[in-house]
Amino acid sequence: NAGVMQNPRHLVRRRGQEARLRCSPMKGHSHVYWYRQLPEEGLKFMVYLQKENIIDESGMPKERFSAEFPKEGPSILRIQQVVRGDSAAYFCASSPPLAGGEETQYFGPGTRLLVL
Amino acid sequence: AQSVTQLGSHVSVSEGALVLLRCNYSSSVPPYLFWYVQYPNQGLQLLLKYTSAATLVKGINGFEAEFKKSETSFHLTKPSAHMSDAAEYFCAVSDRYGNNRLAFGKGNQVVVIP
Repeated sequence: NAGVMQNPRHLVRRRGQEARLRCSPMKGHSHVYWYRQLPEEGLKFMVYLQKENIIDESGMPKERFSAEFPKEGPSILRIQQVVRGDSAAYFCASSPPLAGGEETQYFGPGTRLLVL
Repeated sequence: AQSVTQLGSHVSVSEGALVLLRCNYSSSVPPYLFWYVQYPNQGLQLLLKYTSAATLVKGINGFEAEFKKSETSFHLTKPSAHMSDAAEYFCAVSDRYGNNRLAFGKGNQVVVIP
């Protein structure tokens, strides 16, 4: 059973360009979470999605950031008009459907974004 | 809202010595608690989790953690450090009545001295 897949692993963008980060959850997982890790910081929650639905985007910056998890295909985190402060590692995690209890999140290897 | 405090960003331990990483949480509802390990340039791997069963939780690689409600703590220990334990360790908390999102501490970078 393949784990959570993220691509690209490394992404370099110039200021003002767009960054698209992809996440394929584990087989059978319908819940996806995105987290951002800034240097010397822990991971910060950004957004929680189910298929075709954004459940909680309270951690997303108000502008330039968006996320989707379509019925078919991977989840996408999109950052428009990137700035240097967007440079970070972006991690995706997936879990099976929540069944009234805790469901472990399984993390992908991350995408390291560098904005020049 | 939940939060986690991990003190001491860098922790040095001699090979064969006890590993102790401290985690204190804040939560208005009974929490779920986790320890994850991150090796360089990799994602996070779950070490162990507390979900209200036994308060002493055993995980992978010889690690264990004890949930102490009175101290709002979930400290991670390993009796004897190995060189392969050098990594960054994160404590996290989630809300069992919420949407399962995790709130992480800032992490402990563990260095194992031969």
